[in-house]
Amino acid sequence: GQQLNQSPQSMFIQEGEDVSMNCTSSSIFNTWLWYKQDPGEGPVLLIALYKAGELTSNGRLTAQFGITRKDSFLNISASIPSDVGIYFCAGHSGGGADGLTFGKGTHLIIQP
Amino acid sequence: GAVVSQHPSWVICKSGTSVKIECRSLDFQATTMFWYRQFPKQSLMLMATSNEGSKATYEQGVEKDKFLINHASLTLSTLTVTSAHPEDSSFYICSAKRTGGGYTFGSGTRLTVV
Repeated sequence: GQQLNQSPQSMFIQEGEDVSMNCTSSSIFNTWLWYKQDPGEGPVLLIALYKAGELTSNGRLTAQFGITRKDSFLNISASIPSDVGIYFCAGHSGGGADGLTFGKGTHLIIQP
Repeated sequence: GAVVSQHPSWVICKSGTSVKIECRSLDFQATTMFWYRQFPKQSLMLMATSNEGSKATYEQGVEKDKFLINHASLTLSTLTVTSAHPEDSSFYICSAKRTGGGYTFGSGTRLTVV
């Protein structure tokens, strides 16, 4: 099946620093999504990307849909303590009934 | 808008018993819902696609007779874990696909089989 390679697996940063994480795939996706998951909760959508090359921002978050449709990155600027959590990329290959393929997640830890 | 309610949030059951998990779309209709399973410190893995009024589609390696899915209405899908065993202990998360795209996730159900 399809697999998403997400990196880094974890990040330890200082408050105020910028964060960057990315996902790559061996196959093409038509939609890239970035989610944040807090412990014991379901994922919450941060940014959705629907077009190759698309660059989208949501507050301090910026994500891009790679031109090849096989990769995407998420940047977080000026991190704050509430940014702590696990971030997942997810891809959708198309078709009305397909579920999402998730990356393995990036665990973000912020040191004050 | 676009809220998905999942119930219960956690459940503990004895080995060999069955457990039902509900997933409801509160303010929209969802012809398609998805069930995921997430083991500790791992990613979400798609188990099955639940289609309103028809049989669910299961991913490879997921036993359809063990994980029964019913999507009887446009706002409700249920997942029943039958004859649960400790290895079924996991975090189960549902997702509903909205008309026009977009996926909203429930808050998950922590199943512990003892």
